[in-house]
Amino acid sequence: DTEVTQTPKHLVMGMTNKKSLKCEQHMGHRAMYWYKQKAKKPPELMFVYSYEKLSINESVPSRFSPECPNSSLLNLHLHALQPEDSALYLCASSQEAGGSQPQHFGDGTRLSIL
Amino acid sequence: QKEVEQNSGPLSVPEGAIASLNCTYSDRGSQSFFWYRQYSGKSPELIMFIYSNGDKEDGRFTAQLNKASQYVSLLIRDSQPSDSATYLCAVNTSTGNQFYFGTGTSLTVIP
Repeated sequence: DTEVTQTPKHLVMGMTNKKSLKCEQHMGHRAMYWYKQKAKKPPELMFVYSYEKLSINESVPSRFSPECPNSSLLNLHLHALQPEDSALYLCASSQEAGGSQPQHFGDGTRLSIL
Repeated sequence: QKEVEQNSGPLSVPEGAIASLNCTYSDRGSQSFFWYRQYSGKSPELIMFIYSNGDKEDGRFTAQLNKASQYVSLLIRDSQPSDSATYLCAVNTSTGNQFYFGTGTSLTVIP
């Protein structure tokens, strides 16, 4: 069982819908991440939060809006997505931000855009 | 030049053999190196991490790091069919801000 919990596991939405992905960790980690992964590709970093502040935004379109309400929670708000946004969305956490610490991944949310 | 390179495979080994997975990286300042296993349709699972030159062993897994040659490898001894997965190498940047993932090597262990 993963210590990073993501909900929902699957999401199908239309291009005009608004939905949110949720991520929760209780390991006391101070850094949380959103990644996007397409089939047969490595995870692609979207956002990094460090101590609840956004520290990296990898030029992600504004239709993706991250939010970190507290140190244990991370949300990704979705609006007006495109079919090419269909992918596995992964949340991860690490003790501190940056690449020196192992990142632990949740099970992901498989998103399909109709 | 990609920051992290892996042979995409597929790599096939018979059950019980040693599987050797390799990864090279371009940022000479990188200090932290990670191996993840990802089963089809699942999320990446941390297998090992290594920070110092040399070998690090954990059960059937050994990570090897050579910073002078800028490569890191993962050896899987006594390979099992359950080891069949994609193995992702991840390396931190010299600024320490994030990982770079390799494209992954697909491993198949043949019973």
